[in-house]
Amino acid sequence: GESVGLHLPTLSVQEGDNSIINCAYSNSASDYFIWYKQESGKGPQFIIDIRSNMDKRQGQRVTVLLNKTVKHLSLQIAATQPGDSAVYFCAETKSGNTPLVFGKGTRLSVIA
Amino acid sequence: DGGITQSPKYLFRKEGQNVTLSCEQNLNHDAMYWYRQDPGQGLRLIYYSQIVNDFQKGDIAEGYSVSREKKESFPLTVTSAQKNPTAFYLCASSNLRQGLNYGYTFGSGTRLTVV
Repeated sequence: GESVGLHLPTLSVQEGDNSIINCAYSNSASDYFIWYKQESGKGPQFIIDIRSNMDKRQGQRVTVLLNKTVKHLSLQIAATQPGDSAVYFCAETKSGNTPLVFGKGTRLSVIA
Repeated sequence: DGGITQSPKYLFRKEGQNVTLSCEQNLNHDAMYWYRQDPGQGLRLIYYSQIVNDFQKGDIAEGYSVSREKKESFPLTVTSAQKNPTAFYLCASSNLRQGLNYGYTFGSGTRLTVV
């Protein structure tokens, strides 16, 4: 079946560096994508979303890039802080009330 | 404060027992969802509901049951037919507007352990 996947299961970065977390999706019909952050023992928290009519969207210290040609999604975190340490999930869906499909997640570890 | 509340935070189940996990939201969201998360894994959809008195199976519905008698509530029952129920269970809700999905709001989860 079609699914959302990730290139890297773990990522370690130095504090203050920029982080890039990647995600590949296989459902070309998906038109809405979301990044979530999950800290240990807690529910996922919404970070940023993007629709397929956009290539880039920026938030506070985060940027999501969407490349529909190669079906690739990335999350960039600027000036990574220890509080950014968590598991990050990408999720996709097609508009029309279909549930989100989640990837397996990438663990981001920030080295002080 | 508006939000989504799951209870209990920790739950222990004996072999052959049914247990019910609670999920309540006061966000006036239309849709509610149950996901299961195993260690080091992503979220897998168990059941979801987009309107009261209606729900659909997700990818791993076997051994689970749900009800949606009220918009605010979407309890999940883990039945004895679920052979490997130990996991972290997450409930979420979302607003469905004009057919466009919006990000989910998640509860803080229930950790279920079989003893």
